[in-house]
Amino acid sequence: DAKTTQPPSMDCAEGRAANLPCNHSTISGNEYVYWYRQIHSQGPQYIIHGLKNNETNEMASLIITEDRKSSTLILPHATLRDTAVYYCIVRVADTGNQFYFGTGTSLTVIP
Amino acid sequence: DTAVSQTPKYLVTQMGNDKSIKCEQNLGHDTMYWYKQDSKKFLKIMFSYNNKELIINETVPNRFSPKSPDKAHLNLHINSLELGDSAVYFCASSLRGYTGELFFGEGSRLTVL
Repeated sequence: DAKTTQPPSMDCAEGRAANLPCNHSTISGNEYVYWYRQIHSQGPQYIIHGLKNNETNEMASLIITEDRKSSTLILPHATLRDTAVYYCIVRVADTGNQFYFGTGTSLTVIP
Repeated sequence: DTAVSQTPKYLVTQMGNDKSIKCEQNLGHDTMYWYKQDSKKFLKIMFSYNNKELIINETVPNRFSPKSPDKAHLNLHINSLELGDSAVYFCASSLRGYTGELFFGEGSRLTVL
């Protein structure tokens, strides 16, 4: 079962930063935070993941609070192509590799 | 080169029929999965195979039978199709022992009439 809580929907103006929150208050010390997105009906796409340090890659930044009970995915300059459903997942590495997806946040980037 | 490929992309069939969806990955991964996404867009894991062995079998009717002939392939066979089986089925793969990501296929949309 999904162990994360996300707002069902958000809007963001094109060119602005999109900040997508996720609560994972019951996260364990060995659980990673992963973010995926699904554009329309395509297969989900990996964005980023982290354990406790903030992470950045070419797609996004992941900010994890010090107590690890919540995180924020930041898309620094949202484009129309970033309109998608964004999923936050917590998972222990190498436990049969279960990824349980919740309902996610539907992000709409507005021109 | 497509990393995770599924065939067919679309499948329309009658209730009671038997159908298969094939999945292949060329990433050298050792773990493969089937996910089902229903009309409410909820993405639910069905099966997971590691090195051709079943490691996850969620509560799925036994009409669904995955088969993994080798590490690069995980096929899904569905017997006696029902209306409720209509969904998009996604295949995915990953490398066990690594914290990294799942790679998904583009999905196979099954419509049961």
